[in-house]
Amino acid sequence: SQELEQSPQSLIVQEGKNLTINCTSSKTLYGLYWYKQKYGEGLIFLMMLQKGGEEKSHEKITAKLDEKKQQSSLHITASQPSHAGIYLCGADMDSGYALNFGKGTSLLVTP
Amino acid sequence: EAGVAQSPRYKIIEKRQSVAFWCNPISGHATLYWYQQILGQGPKLLIQFQNNGVVDDSQLPKDRFSAERLKGVDSTLKIQPAKLEDSAVYLCASSRTSGSISEQFFGPGTRLTVL
Repeated sequence: SQELEQSPQSLIVQEGKNLTINCTSSKTLYGLYWYKQKYGEGLIFLMMLQKGGEEKSHEKITAKLDEKKQQSSLHITASQPSHAGIYLCGADMDSGYALNFGKGTSLLVTP
Repeated sequence: EAGVAQSPRYKIIEKRQSVAFWCNPISGHATLYWYQQILGQGPKLLIQFQNNGVVDDSQLPKDRFSAERLKGVDSTLKIQPAKLEDSAVYLCASSRTSGSISEQFFGPGTRLTVL
């Protein structure tokens, strides 16, 4: 069974619109990572969250980890075509440091 | 600093053939991971090394997959013999330490197609 659930599976938004991607776990997370992947390429690190209630921002992307450390959201403000790709959440779920990943959210930004 | 290097980038083989992938992690990174990513799925851990020792290989199909990390630097992942369901992208990642949570840097991956 998938231990990390991402929603939505895919998203099409118009350029300039805001969007949110969610990542939910049934277990407490030791660390939550957000990556972006373009087709045929490796994963690009976006942000890492470790503490309950933590929030980080980079450019127009903000990620939050809830107080119980079981859910994270990734919010993109004023989306651009360069934001298109697959967004993956990965989590350390047993303090072993290897990551379990969700299935990813495919984002398309239209002009 | 140079990123994680992987080769080859693409490989096409027939089932029952053998194949090997190579990974060179970021200099100084003690921990190395191999992940398998099947189309439409997130990456799944195959094996984790700390220096040249195996930390976790519980999800590695050991009847056909093997991996080694000689001298605690480069690593190779081998599949022998390959099956159709092994078609996937094989990602290598490295991180600075394993004693604490730290960012994992990923290579570009090797896309394997088994015919």
